[in-house]
Amino acid sequence: AAGVIQSPRHLIKEKRETATLKCYPIPRHDTVYWYQQGPGQDPQFLISFYEKMQSDKGSIPDRFSAQQFSDYHSELNMSSLELGDSALYFCASSPRDILTFSGNTIYFGEGSWLTVV
Amino acid sequence: AQTVTQSQPEMSVQEAETVTLSCTYDTSESDYYLFWYKQPPSRQMILVIRQEAYKQQNATENRFSVNFQKAAKSFSLKISDSQLGDAAMYFCAYRSPGNTGNQFYFGTGTSLTVIP
Repeated sequence: AAGVIQSPRHLIKEKRETATLKCYPIPRHDTVYWYQQGPGQDPQFLISFYEKMQSDKGSIPDRFSAQQFSDYHSELNMSSLELGDSALYFCASSPRDILTFSGNTIYFGEGSWLTVV
Repeated sequence: AQTVTQSQPEMSVQEAETVTLSCTYDTSESDYYLFWYKQPPSRQMILVIRQEAYKQQNATENRFSVNFQKAAKSFSLKISDSQLGDAAMYFCAYRSPGNTGNQFYFGTGTSLTVIP
């Protein structure tokens, strides 16, 4: 079965540079979520999109922005990178039907490792 | 906001034995969903098992089962016949009904070691 695809898997950037992470949700999933997981921490919710509109916002820094495109893929843009942004960034998706159990389950991609040096 | 608590930062189990990971949560909602995710050294988040709050029957997936106590707001994970591949960080998660991401809350995780 198709899974959530994230790219790139690994990224090294210098401080103050910009990085873009991409996420391709499971087919027919219209909701995308972004999470950040620092070393030894649980995943922290950043932002989510439903039907290409931002649906909720968590602890996303102002330096970060994201959007969901017409094909439902999403991009997380991170500017003015800081050392503390080094983390594993997860994208997750969930399907259309929020009335079903499946619709309330989110499925994670393998994550994108960002290292800021 | 809902909170999810995993009081065991680390657990260990002998191979082939059974281990139970604890999870409690705080909510005022009557309808919600609970999940256990596994994160092996590869760091991929893998869904292990899930439970709908309105169902009294405990969910089971092969060697994994839960003990869901709604009144106590407890959702423990039991791993039977533990295998080396079960070694991972396990996250308990809570979700309100709906379709917005901020309604998905994780606990801080339990690191499970499987001893050969």
